[in-house]
Amino acid sequence: KNQVEQSPQSLIILEGKNCTLQCNYTVSPFSNLRWYKQDTGRGPVSLTIMTFSENTKSNGRYTATLDADTKQSSLHITASQLSDSASYICVVGTPSWGKLQFGAGTQVVVTP
Amino acid sequence: DTAVSQTPKYLVTQMGNDKSIKCEQNLGHDTMYWYKQDSKKFLKIMFSYNNKELIINETVPNRFSPKSPDKAHLNLHINSLELGDSAVYFCASSQPGLAGGKNTGELFFGEGSRLTVL
Repeated sequence: KNQVEQSPQSLIILEGKNCTLQCNYTVSPFSNLRWYKQDTGRGPVSLTIMTFSENTKSNGRYTATLDADTKQSSLHITASQLSDSASYICVVGTPSWGKLQFGAGTQVVVTP
Repeated sequence: DTAVSQTPKYLVTQMGNDKSIKCEQNLGHDTMYWYKQDSKKFLKIMFSYNNKELIINETVPNRFSPKSPDKAHLNLHINSLELGDSAVYFCASSQPGLAGGKNTGELFFGEGSRLTVL
């Protein structure tokens, strides 16, 4: 069983609307949680990185939240744009150097 | 300037062949990685080098051999290619991160190399 579960698997939203993606993890010990955006045919690009002491972090229209007690994170996209169409990947880091657990991603499609 | 560049972007080859993928980063990072992204889109670590020293070697067949001539380069050589090797291979680099600290080793990925084995 994967230690990082993302939901929904895919999502279609209208341009200009908001959406929220979920990430639940069982990774332990926990060091940090990252959200990446991966455009089709491209490499993942970092959106946010949060350590266990951080509850929220924003990057433009992207806002990530973290509840380390319940081991849940969310990524909120505000006023979606066509360029937001991509896969969003939740990644959990452990204190072991370089050890990251990747979720399968949520595929977001923004339609006009 | 591309921060992490890998070549080739596409590679189509026959089973049994040997192929290499090259990666270079100009970010001055000490650590480089190879990841494999399969058809289900999961990214899995294969290898990691820090200053030319192998620090992560996951359960990967011996047919895969990484080489780091210097800390800016990490190449991946694959012998006797099999159908199951078909995937997208991503190179990445980072500075090492302190657990729980602010320097959390942000990963910078290349554009990927799509390998198709026929």
